Amino acid sequence: SQQGEEDPQALSIQEGENATMNCSYKTSINNLQWYRQNSGRGLVHLILIRSNEREKHSGRLRVTLDTSKKSSSLLITASRAADTASYFCGTQGGSEKLVFGKGTKLTVNP
Amino acid sequence: GAVVSQHPSWVICKSGTSVKIECRSLDFQATTMFWYRQFPKQSLMLMATSNEGSKATYEQGVEKDKFLINHASLTLSTLTVTSAHPEDSSFYICSAIGLATLQETQYFGPGTRLLVL
Repeated sequence: SQQGEEDPQALSIQEGENATMNCSYKTSINNLQWYRQNSGRGLVHLILIRSNEREKHSGRLRVTLDTSKKSSSLLITASRAADTASYFCGTQGGSEKLVFGKGTKLTVNP
Repeated sequence: GAVVSQHPSWVICKSGTSVKIECRSLDFQATTMFWYRQFPKQSLMLMATSNEGSKATYEQGVEKDKFLINHASLTLSTLTVTSAHPEDSSFYICSAIGLATLQETQYFGPGTRLLVL
């Protein structure tokens, strides 16, 4: 079964607004990673947050991790049309493999 | 850095034929490569993990005789779909990690779309 579950499944916003996506997981992790996938393409790594970290920033991205609730959020500020994509969280536990959630499809309308 | 390529980007084949997909790490040595498949509008499903010079580890439910994986060098892994059938049509994506990626971050190839007629 999938480790991570993102919500919402789909999100539609206007350019300039902020977008927040959430990810929940079930077992203990070493790190959690967020990826973006444009339609029909591979995944692009956005940010990695380790289990002993609570918040991380990268440009317009802000990721939080709450290990007590087994959840993470990805915030994209001042969204652009180019941010339109599917976003996946992947968790890495005792092995190197990542287990992905179902993803959130983000549409940013110009 | 950390670029992964896949070839071909798309392939159409007849039922019963075999198809080979290559995954290459272009600027780092990949100690481990991963193969995923993705159905339309769904998430990535891990098929197998391959380490250079050893046999691949397949996920539960994935037929190892149907999906042959070879990781012959630190920069190349291949996935061969043997005796392909229409239900094997999917988007296949590889990823790679290595010392350069701290064995954590997976870098993905652009994917290969397979259509079996």
